[in-house]
Amino acid sequence: GENVEQHPSTLSVQEGDSAVIKCTYSDSASNYFPWYKQELGKRPQLIIDIRSNVGEKKDQRIAVTLNKTAKHFSLHITETQPEDSAVYFCAASREKFYFGSGTKLNVKP
Amino acid sequence: DGGITQSPKYLFRKEGQNVTLSCEQNLNHDAMYWYRQDPGQGLRLIYYSQIVNDFQKGDIAEGYSVSREKKESFPLTVTSAQKNPTAFYLCASSTGGSSYEQYFGPGTRLTVT
Repeated sequence: GENVEQHPSTLSVQEGDSAVIKCTYSDSASNYFPWYKQELGKRPQLIIDIRSNVGEKKDQRIAVTLNKTAKHFSLHITETQPEDSAVYFCAASREKFYFGSGTKLNVKP
Repeated sequence: DGGITQSPKYLFRKEGQNVTLSCEQNLNHDAMYWYRQDPGQGLRLIYYSQIVNDFQKGDIAEGYSVSREKKESFPLTVTSAQKNPTAFYLCASSTGGSSYEQYFGPGTRLTVT
């Protein structure tokens, strides 16, 4: 089956800096790669996603890049704000979803 | 936040008892999923259903059972055979299966003592 690895497990940045979270996957047939943000005790919410026929996607301060050859994808958050502090999960999907173990992002004011 | 609901938010049970977690959606989604989340870990798939009256095991189905008699509902039963049932359980639904966004419910925190 699919194996998704996510790094780092924790990330601390100063407000205004950029944050990058990286994921690798093992199944070359995976074709959909969403990123979710989860605040403490809350449900995960989709923040951005990318499909395998696209290399990069951007939505305001958030961007995702996908390298199908290397089987890795990354989340980039620019101009971070304290409200970006949360746990972020990547996932890879073909028939079903496989999630990374999460990155706890702390943005210091 | 509407569209997919789970109840109750917190659930306490004694060891050896079966317990059923509710998941309802009014999004007209065909696919529904159950995940388990343990502290500091990602989401692990328990069961999923792509269509009414059909469901498949996920990666950690042992000790769990589901039914999908209606499109809107996908209840999860945690049986006494589940060795470590205390966890946060998340239900999700999706319009188009595995290539489309999943919408998550608010979750049920189950504690078994």
